[in-house]
Order: sequence, then structure tokens, then C-alpha cells
Amino acid sequence: QKEVEQNSGPLSVPEGAIASLNCTYSDRGSQSFFWYRQYSGKSPELIMFIYSNGDKEDGRFTAQLNKASQYVSLLIRDSQPSDSATYLCAVNRGGDDKIIFGKGTRLHILP
Amino acid sequence: ETGVTQSPTHLIKTRGQQVTLRCSSQSGHNTVSWYQQALGQGPQFIFQYYREEENGRGNFPPRFSGLQFPNYSSELNVNALELDDSALYLCASTGGTGDEAFFGQGTRLTVV
Repeated sequence: QKEVEQNSGPLSVPEGAIASLNCTYSDRGSQSFFWYRQYSGKSPELIMFIYSNGDKEDGRFTAQLNKASQYVSLLIRDSQPSDSATYLCAVNRGGDDKIIFGKGTRLHILP
Repeated sequence: ETGVTQSPTHLIKTRGQQVTLRCSSQSGHNTVSWYQQALGQGPQFIFQYYREEENGRGNFPPRFSGLQFPNYSSELNVNALELDDSALYLCASTGGTGDEAFFGQGTRLTVV
């Protein structure tokens, strides 16, 4: 079982709709959870982090965490063509404080 | 702009050669992690340096080695380059008030 799993996509969403990205992780000791956006040929850019169960909102982005289910999600409201990118889920392993990434989900916003 | 800088941005090397990649961490960050990202994959953890000591290593062979300096900048060295080492190499710094990792722009290494 991979430590951080994501559906590789591509996920196609019409402009203006809600994009929903999902991630599961295996280490129950994980404490911190991150979403990075990566445009083609560029390095990952941190867009959200969440530490506690529940929802965290920042502008059009909402991160959701359910530690009991070992599940993290990212919702993007009012999707824009500029949101088209690969979204990487990352988890800080509790045991050794290392940040481990999933393979990423490619998101394509349809104009 | 994350304050993390990497050099060079692009590099072409021949199989069997050695390469050194460099990273300057964000001000106030004492931890640097290196990742390898192959095309279409997520970043794979290579190793982490904390206050000049290696502080954890991923599943990479010993020909991948590193250093961290007193100013917390870091180097990644790869010996005996193989074609499969072609990838984007990312440096991330942490150690501020939170544990978020901030990435440099990466070094694109091509081994021919």
C-alpha cells in the first residue's frame, strides 16, 4: 500500500463548477496535511494545509480532513481555467517528520 | 516567490558522470529536504538535512549523497549517473513556525 494515494486523473471539470480532489494516506500517526499545485514544468506551490479534522477554507479552496478515515480532500469552487494543473497531496509522517507526496491528480478545467 | 533558490536550473550530463546540485533555504529555515520527480510522478523523498546532519533517507542508493552547510544551504551529489536519474530535482525548506515545505524552482537534470 502506497503511503499517499491519489487518483491520477485527468479530472475534467467545467469552468465555474466545483472540482473535488481526493487523497488517502496510510500512516495513522500523520499530523499535517498539505495540498500543492504544480503547473507543467514548474515546482510545486503550497496552496493549503490542514492539521485538524473538519474543513478549512481559504478563498475558493476548502481542505477537508477526516483522520478516522485517513482521508483528505480539496474542493475548488468556481473553477477557472488557470486552476488547470496537477494537484499533489502531501502528508507529514508523524514518526519521522518527513513530508511524503502522492503522485498527483491532473485537473483540467473546461472553458 | 518562496525564498528557496536552486542552481543550476537545467543540466545535461553523460551517463557515468557526477553532478552537484545546490539549494539555498528560506531565511529562518534549518531543514532542507531533497526530492526527485520523474515525469508524471509525484516527488520522491531522497533525504533530509537538519542542522548539517542527515535526518532521514528515502529509498535511494548511496551514490545519492548530500551536505548541509552552517548557513543551512545544501548540496545534492549524484555519482555514476544513470539514464533513469533524469528528472526534476526539488529542494524544499522547512523549519519556520509551521512544518510546511516550500520548494525552489527545481533543477531539470537530463542524463544522456
